[in-house]
Amino acid sequence: GQQLNQSPQSMFIQEGEDVSMNCTSSSIFNTWLWYKQDPGEGPVLLIALYKAGELTSNGRLTAQFGITRKDSFLNISASIPSDVGIYFCAGQVSDSWGKLQFGAGTQVVVTP
Amino acid sequence: DTGVSQDPRHKITKRGQNVTFRCDPISEHNRLYWYRQTLGQGPEFLTYFQNEAQLEKSRLLSDRFSAERPKGSFSTLEIQRTEQGDSAMYLCASSPQLATYNEQFFGPGTRLTVL
Repeated sequence: GQQLNQSPQSMFIQEGEDVSMNCTSSSIFNTWLWYKQDPGEGPVLLIALYKAGELTSNGRLTAQFGITRKDSFLNISASIPSDVGIYFCAGQVSDSWGKLQFGAGTQVVVTP
Repeated sequence: DTGVSQDPRHKITKRGQNVTFRCDPISEHNRLYWYRQTLGQGPEFLTYFQNEAQLEKSRLLSDRFSAERPKGSFSTLEIQRTEQGDSAMYLCASSPQLATYNEQFFGPGTRLTVL
């Protein structure tokens, strides 16, 4: 089952608004990744974070690796219709090289 | 297309039948992963290969499931005696072998429906 707590579960926003979502874990992670998934497709990597406190941007997306290494957030600024989709956080624990643990996802709906 | 590819994209089968899925990773990536995703959930890890060696398997991978990567390139995931609970999206991902980083790139998935 899921070991990451991702919130909110869904968001309905107007075009142009900012979006914020976060993930928390009881485990310490050494990597946080954020993905976006469209219906019927595989997840697409958006941002990767590798150091506690790291703040990384990719266009209108900004993500941070929490200082405690147990949390991360993703912000989307000035949302546009193509931001619609499900966003997943994923973390990797230090003693399991291959395995990513995923949150349950945040569904984002953007209305004009 | 230089991304991860999976075949087939969709598979419908009857309970009790065997199915096999194929994954072709990004060509320079020597790590390959299989995940399973059910509706409304994030992907769940199944197994992981580095080259041809299967290094980790989840408890989700029952004895009806077997994965191979015989030449360290493409991989297959076989499910024997399928059950309705096996219905899910099966995702493959690959990543390069770098000591520090583990960016996994996913394929489009194979949607399995067991009737």
